[in-house]
Amino acid sequence: QKEVEQNSGPLSVPEGAIASLNCTYSDRGSQSFFWYRQYSGKSPELIMFIYSNGDKEDGRFTAQLNKASQYVSLLIRDSQPSDSATYLCAVREDRGSTLGRLYFGRGTQLTVWP
Amino acid sequence: EADIYQTPRYLVIGTGKKITLECSQTMGHDKMYWYQQDPGMELHLIHYSYGVNSTEKGDLSSESTVSRIRTEHFPLTLESARPSHTSQYLCASNGGLGPQYFGPGTRLLVL
Repeated sequence: QKEVEQNSGPLSVPEGAIASLNCTYSDRGSQSFFWYRQYSGKSPELIMFIYSNGDKEDGRFTAQLNKASQYVSLLIRDSQPSDSATYLCAVREDRGSTLGRLYFGRGTQLTVWP
Repeated sequence: EADIYQTPRYLVIGTGKKITLECSQTMGHDKMYWYQQDPGMELHLIHYSYGVNSTEKGDLSSESTVSRIRTEHFPLTLESARPSHTSQYLCASNGGLGPQYFGPGTRLLVL
């Protein structure tokens, strides 16, 4: 069973701060990593994906991947109240019978207060 | 970003009725998925398909069935709805090794 663990939260940060969301995974064969944002009552929305070790930046979002430590994180700079949502980490093994399937964590609820 | 459509968006139905939740995508994605999610809870994969005439059961036992006769269409059917089927159903798709994108979801309430 492939396990994906996230801090359950809730994580609360003031507006303008950096929010740091963490995720660890059990399967060393995992090759692709995704972060989704889900507002209450809505469907998950893809915000970042990363395939290689290191950092990947997109606007206020930075994904960090360390395959040796089986760890992926999401940093949100200059957090805004509109960033308040649940953030889902997902991993994928891009080979074998589970090709293409995502394994999701339970999500971390983030609240950004004004 | 993919265009994925789900209908109906909301459905209230009585126990014992047969229902079909529609999902279609216009991106030519080969892989499609159905997830079930209760409010505030984690996503559970219930069915997936890697192409036409290919369907597999996911991790969560489900009384629903799916079909994949056309690449763009992946309907989910409940032969006899029960209150325990009340949930949100999310369809998703991806092409090759691209990211997975979700549709807007169907909220089902079985009375």
